[in-house]
Amino acid sequence: NAGVTQTPKFQVLKTGQSMTLQCAQDMNHNSMYWYRQDPGMGLRLIYYSASEGTTDKGEVPNGYNVSRLNKREFSLRLESAAPSQTSVYFCASSETVPLSYEQYFGPGTRLTVT
Amino acid sequence: LAKTTQPISMDSYEGQEVNITCSHNNIATNDYITWYQQFPSQGPRFIIQGYKTKVTNEVASLFIPADRKSSTLSLPRVSLSDTAVYYCLVGDLHAGNNRKLIWGLGTSLAVNP
Repeated sequence: NAGVTQTPKFQVLKTGQSMTLQCAQDMNHNSMYWYRQDPGMGLRLIYYSASEGTTDKGEVPNGYNVSRLNKREFSLRLESAAPSQTSVYFCASSETVPLSYEQYFGPGTRLTVT
Repeated sequence: LAKTTQPISMDSYEGQEVNITCSHNNIATNDYITWYQQFPSQGPRFIIQGYKTKVTNEVASLFIPADRKSSTLSLPRVSLSDTAVYYCLVGDLHAGNNRKLIWGLGTSLAVNP
């Protein structure tokens, strides 16, 4: 099992550009999450999905959109990137209930917006 | 709102026992207290969770006092490979029907030879 995979690993965008971060899990988990991690701020939840077709806002959803394409895949889209969105983005999944304490994380995407 | 406090950094030597404490108030009464480990350029990894008293697994022990206002992650006989950032994770007491997860800011543990 690959677990949780994320693409790309690194990305540099100019202000105003758009992009989609991809995430997939092969553990047959129901819930999936997108976090951002910034120095001094810890992990902050952007969006989560309890099941295919459902998504909910987390702590910092502004400037982002998500799509739960199927049970395996959960994508995060930045429509118009801003320097404040420079961060490391992590996708995670959990087996059953949403917002579970036991989550499995991907390796992250390091995004720089200039 | 629940709040967590962890030391920013700790130093240790190989073979020592390391205890990292997270203080937390206003946490959900019936939910777990959980700890994660994160290596550079990797995502956090679940280590251990407990509700009260003491929990032990092959990696660590977790001590939770009766008032649940703190928790202590204990790493026995650390090695260089235990150098990482350790996070506590709790739930917010006032989140209502929807659980709100509160991540600590992390403790950077450096294990020296």
